[in-house]
Amino acid sequence: NAGVMQNPRHLVRRRGQEARLRCSPMKGHSHVYWYRQLPEEGLKFMVYLQKENIIDESGMPKERFSAEFPKEGPSILRIQQVVRGDSAAYFCASSEYRNEKLFFGSGTQLSVL
Amino acid sequence: SQQGEEDPQALSIQEGENATMNCSYKTSINNLQWYRQNSGRGLVHLILIRSNEREKHSGRLRVTLDTSKKSSSLLITASRAADTASYFCATVGGSNYKLTFGKGTLLTVNP
Repeated sequence: NAGVMQNPRHLVRRRGQEARLRCSPMKGHSHVYWYRQLPEEGLKFMVYLQKENIIDESGMPKERFSAEFPKEGPSILRIQQVVRGDSAAYFCASSEYRNEKLFFGSGTQLSVL
Repeated sequence: SQQGEEDPQALSIQEGENATMNCSYKTSINNLQWYRQNSGRGLVHLILIRSNEREKHSGRLRVTLDTSKKSSSLLITASRAADTASYFCATVGGSNYKLTFGKGTLLTVNP
């Protein structure tokens, strides 16, 4: 089992561009979570999805941010019209059971110039 | 807010000593989990303790949970330099679907 795979590892975007972050959960995991982390801080919850359904998106800004977890393929976190304040590490995690024993990917470091 | 808060923010000890970190939270929980994060890496799950459990062990780790005080502690015995990392507690409770993390304790184990 390859673990949670996130790509790209590093993503550089200019202000106004779109950022697409991908996450392939562990085999057999139907629960996917996205978190954001700034330096020296903890993780901030963004969104929780369970196969094709958004369960809780209360941590994700209503504008510019969207997430999906299609039946086939990876989960995608999409940020439109990026701004400098979007620069952060974005971590994806997956689990077999809801909110228990999350396995994390290595993260995508987004830098907005 | 459900979010747990770890204490202390930073802890520096010598190899072989024990390290204790605490976590306090605000509302009732279903379970409490501890994770470790090495610099620049993703978090690694260490241990989960349910609300009806008081203590749990895993190798050199010992976790306690006091629901009356809304607090948990993580004890790492006989620490090693490789234990140097940030440690986070995470909680979820009631009808809340969010697993929320504290700001973490940065543990430094000096060889």
